Amino acid sequence: KQEVTQIPAALSVPEGENLVLNCSFTDSAIYNLQWFRQDPGKGLTSLLLIQSSQREQTSGRLNASLDKSSGRSTLYIAASQPGDSATYLCAVNNAGNMLTFGGGTRLMVKP
Amino acid sequence: EAEVAQSPRYKITEKSQAVAFWCDPISGHATLYWYRQILGQGPELLVQFQDESVVDDSQLPKDRFSAERLKGVDSTLKIQPAELGDSAMYLCASSLGGFYNEQFFGPGTRLTVL
Repeated sequence: KQEVTQIPAALSVPEGENLVLNCSFTDSAIYNLQWFRQDPGKGLTSLLLIQSSQREQTSGRLNASLDKSSGRSTLYIAASQPGDSATYLCAVNNAGNMLTFGGGTRLMVKP
Repeated sequence: EAEVAQSPRYKITEKSQAVAFWCDPISGHATLYWYRQILGQGPELLVQFQDESVVDDSQLPKDRFSAERLKGVDSTLKIQPAELGDSAMYLCASSLGGFYNEQFFGPGTRLTVL
């Protein structure tokens, strides 16, 4: 059974810092991996999708990497802003096109 | 921009009552998912539809939960009777289908059972 772990569970940084969120998974036989953002009490917003054949994806200040063989992905956020404060979730897609989610990292960016 | 629609956004009910949630996926998306998210945790899949057929409902508590997608478009998730432990966010997502496609999520329904 696929298990997804996100470290750290919570992170507080001053505005302007570059930061890295980590995601690890136990079964490397994945089709793709998605990073999501969730604001309190809201649904999930898809940030980046990395296919299993890709090593990284970039969108604006966000960069996600994937090392399938070691079961790891990282989300890099450059020049963090208070508006980046949210919970970030990673999810892996393997058997049957189901997403298995990690527990999330709660990010607080202080002005 | 096309979005997944869900209603209601919030629902408060008493234990043992029946509740129903509705989801309208992005037009053309053949695959529809219902997830449950307990506060502070990641979402967990309850049921997956491909068109009108259930692909996976192994995590759906079938003694009290039911889901349908009769015409292969919108979907309803029902709980009867609701229990205190059902308090959670219920999220609907859709995708074009296939193993490589991105899932898009709706705003969710926040259920509180008193």
